[in-house]
Amino acid sequence: GAGVSQSPSNKVTEKGKDVELRCDPISGHTALYWYRQSLGQGLEFLIYFQGNSAPDKSGLPSDRFSAERTGGSVSTLTIQRTQQEDSAVYLCASSLIGYGTEAFFGQGTRLTVV
Amino acid sequence: AQSVTQLGSHVSVSEGALVLLRCNYSSSVPPYLFWYVQYPNQGLQLLLKYTSAATLVKGINGFEAEFKKSETSFHLTKPSAHMSDAAEYFCAVSDQARQGSARQLTFGSGTQLTVLP
Repeated sequence: GAGVSQSPSNKVTEKGKDVELRCDPISGHTALYWYRQSLGQGLEFLIYFQGNSAPDKSGLPSDRFSAERTGGSVSTLTIQRTQQEDSAVYLCASSLIGYGTEAFFGQGTRLTVV
Repeated sequence: AQSVTQLGSHVSVSEGALVLLRCNYSSSVPPYLFWYVQYPNQGLQLLLKYTSAATLVKGINGFEAEFKKSETSFHLTKPSAHMSDAAEYFCAVSDQARQGSARQLTFGSGTQLTVLP
């Protein structure tokens, strides 16, 4: 596709359930990022993948959060046993690797935990 | 470590007035700096970026920003605000990437711009 695609665009889930959020990056982009944007807050870095290197997971808030990137393309962010404080917009971005390359963002997945 | 501070979580200007959104950064190495805009229910869109070439950077929609190393600032300006500029604006910093590597962006907390008729 022409841009970063995220699905679903909206997700409502019950507390305690697991959810999977999907990100399809721009073709050829070897770097992929997940951010979380809570209501009225800035962007919180979660995780990023760079090619075949081990991902930087330093931003994941708890062990309920995990992410994988299969075949260097599509990424899935999984939240287990969701809590109400997980409600937020989850943004995915991808970029080329190199000096000063900008990240291109998807439209996000709005997660609501009830 | 790198960080970004955006002064003013909310800024209101009249249509046709100057827009000034402030951003100060902290970085241990020469940074790359970005301004992104987010319209309601949308993802972030790049407005402009500084990558150590010209210190005055021009972006889309008439926005520009000036890199001032002595002030560690990268303020965003637009001479004349338009109603369509109402959105949230994020400043971001990235350390200079080593050849073949990438670094995650560190974002400021954002500034909500309101344009009054």
